This record gives sequence, structure tokens and C-alpha cells, in this order.
Amino acid sequence: EAGVTQFPSHSVIEKGQTVTLRCDPISGHDNLYWYRRVMGKEIKFLLHFVKESKQDESGMPNNRFLAERTGGTYSTLKVQPAELEDSGVYFCASSQDRLWGLAFSGELFFGEGSRLTVL
Amino acid sequence: GENVEQHPSTLSVQEGDSAVIKCTYSDSASNYFPWYKQELGKRPQLIIDIRSNVGEKKDQRIAVTLNKTAKHFSLHITETQPEDSAVYFCAAKNTGFQKLVFGTGTRLLVSP
Repeated sequence: EAGVTQFPSHSVIEKGQTVTLRCDPISGHDNLYWYRRVMGKEIKFLLHFVKESKQDESGMPNNRFLAERTGGTYSTLKVQPAELEDSGVYFCASSQDRLWGLAFSGELFFGEGSRLTVL
Repeated sequence: GENVEQHPSTLSVQEGDSAVIKCTYSDSASNYFPWYKQELGKRPQLIIDIRSNVGEKKDQRIAVTLNKTAKHFSLHITETQPEDSAVYFCAAKNTGFQKLVFGTGTRLLVSP
């Protein structure tokens, strides 16, 4: 079974340009997450989709970031216009919740990340 | 919201030694604590996790301990090998809210 795939693996753009990152989750996984890691820092949460709906977008830095998941399958994350501080590795992860006691929990499967460099 | 702190940021050990990485969390409602390993240029992968109804879990050379009272959990790797070299991330989650919060990572270097 294919894992989480992300495209592109690396993107170098100039400040003010636009970049769109794509994530294909594991087939059948309802949950899709976007995370970002800046060098030496934590893997920071950006947002969470359940199917096509945004469950939590509290981590999105500002309105220059737009995430979509049309049809509940793949997702895109667009940065427009890009700024220097947007540089980092953007990870996508997916999961399928399993019932544990009275709550749900599922392992996160990560993609290999999209490294964004803004010059 | 949840905040996870992780120490040390880097850890160098000799092959065969033990390595311990420690994390603390702030939200007492968190009840799921996974550890991810990221090898250079690869994706983070789950290596072990623990839930709040147990205090310790072991899988071959790796173990995780959880102290809910003190709100900290640790990863223990025994008999380290060069292939254990990687960045390790701890994380915490309240399964009701479904967001996994990560620590800043520990770069482990195991020298032959």
C-alpha cells in the first residue's frame, strides 16, 4: 500500500511568489494534517482536515496560507505571497481513528515532507 | 493549549551505551504519548507510544515511561547502535481534540 506522498520534495522561490504543495494521504484515511518544521524547532501543527472539512486550523500563521481538500482525498497548501519566514519543511500526515476506550486515537503516518526555501 | 518540552536537543553516545530523552507536557488531559524517529532525509516514523493507563511500555531495545503526576515521559534506548542515529520527537495528544503536539526534537548520534 502506498504511503503518504508529497510534492514537490523541494521548492526554491523568491519572496512574493506563490507556491502550492500537494499531499496525497493513505487511501481511506479521513484525517489529514499539515505540519511545518523550521530548522531546529518543533514540528508545528498547521491544520487538520476530517475528510473535506477543516476540523482545526488554529496553527495557520496568517491569511497568506490557504489549504484545501476538495472531495476529501488529496490536499493542497498554497502560500501566497511567500515571505522569508515561510521557509521550512512542510509535512503532511494522515491517520484513521481507532476507538480506544471512549476516545479515538490513530497513528499518524507522515510524508517525506516538502522543503520550501524562500529567497 | 498543550505545550511539549523536550531535552536534550542533542545527545552523543558510544555504541552500546544507553540513551535517555525526556519530555514534559502541560495539559493534564493529554492521554496519548507517541515517539517518532526521523532519519536523515526521511519521514518521521512512529517507533513506540504509550497511553495514560500504563506507566511503562517496552519493545525490544526501546522503552517509554510515563509519569502522569509529574506530567513527564521519557524514551529509553539500550544497547545503542549506529543505526539508532536520528532525530527523535516526542508528542502528546488529548485524543478528544485529535491534535498531536510535538517537542523540538533530539538529535541522537551513536558513534561506533
